[in-house]
Amino acid sequence: ETGVTQTPRHLVMGMTNKKSLKCEQHLGHNAMYWYKQSAKKPLELMFVYSLEERVENNSVPSRFSPECPNSSHLFLHLHTLQPEDSALYLCASSQEGRLEGETQYFGPGTRLLVL
Amino acid sequence: GENVEQHPSTLSVQEGDSAVIKCTYSDSASNYFPWYKQELGKRPQLIIDIRSNVGEKKDQRIAVTLNKTAKHFSLHITETQPEDSAVYFCAAAGSGTYKYIFGTGTRLKVLA
Repeated sequence: ETGVTQTPRHLVMGMTNKKSLKCEQHLGHNAMYWYKQSAKKPLELMFVYSLEERVENNSVPSRFSPECPNSSHLFLHLHTLQPEDSALYLCASSQEGRLEGETQYFGPGTRLLVL
Repeated sequence: GENVEQHPSTLSVQEGDSAVIKCTYSDSASNYFPWYKQELGKRPQLIIDIRSNVGEKKDQRIAVTLNKTAKHFSLHITETQPEDSAVYFCAAAGSGTYKYIFGTGTRLKVLA
């Protein structure tokens, strides 16, 4: 499956490290999303970009910093994370990001462990 | 705030039996309801969706029903197979928004 790819697939980092997660979509979509998936909790929407403009910031701590240089690429820059930030981080994309009822296509996720 | 409740959290069925997962949403303006299947270590994948102008939709062994009055929607899997074992998530999207509100997931185990 190559529609939405994410790297790295696994990441272990200390609380003082800085790392970045990368997402790339090959579907020609204009909207990209970051979600956090923790055990026994609903998928939490973190950020939404539509045509490279951030349209949603869901009260996410500033230690998470997104970047969308173009409609195909999305990054999540991480710094001074906490152990409770350990989770699966999923990227998704959809056609426009401004229309209701759009199907979102997910990447495989990055499993993050913060020590 | 808006939320989606999903039940049960775990479900075990014998192969060949049916499985039903139910979701309730709070935002009456929601009008799009996708269901995702996530196998262990894999990405969530859309398996079926329904819009508010339709009461039921079926795709082979999978069906979804929607009761807008009660704000309920359900996933029905018939003739379950071991490969149906996964976590299933429901979601609701509101009118004029791309934002999904997800349920907490149901872990389905199909016993051979």
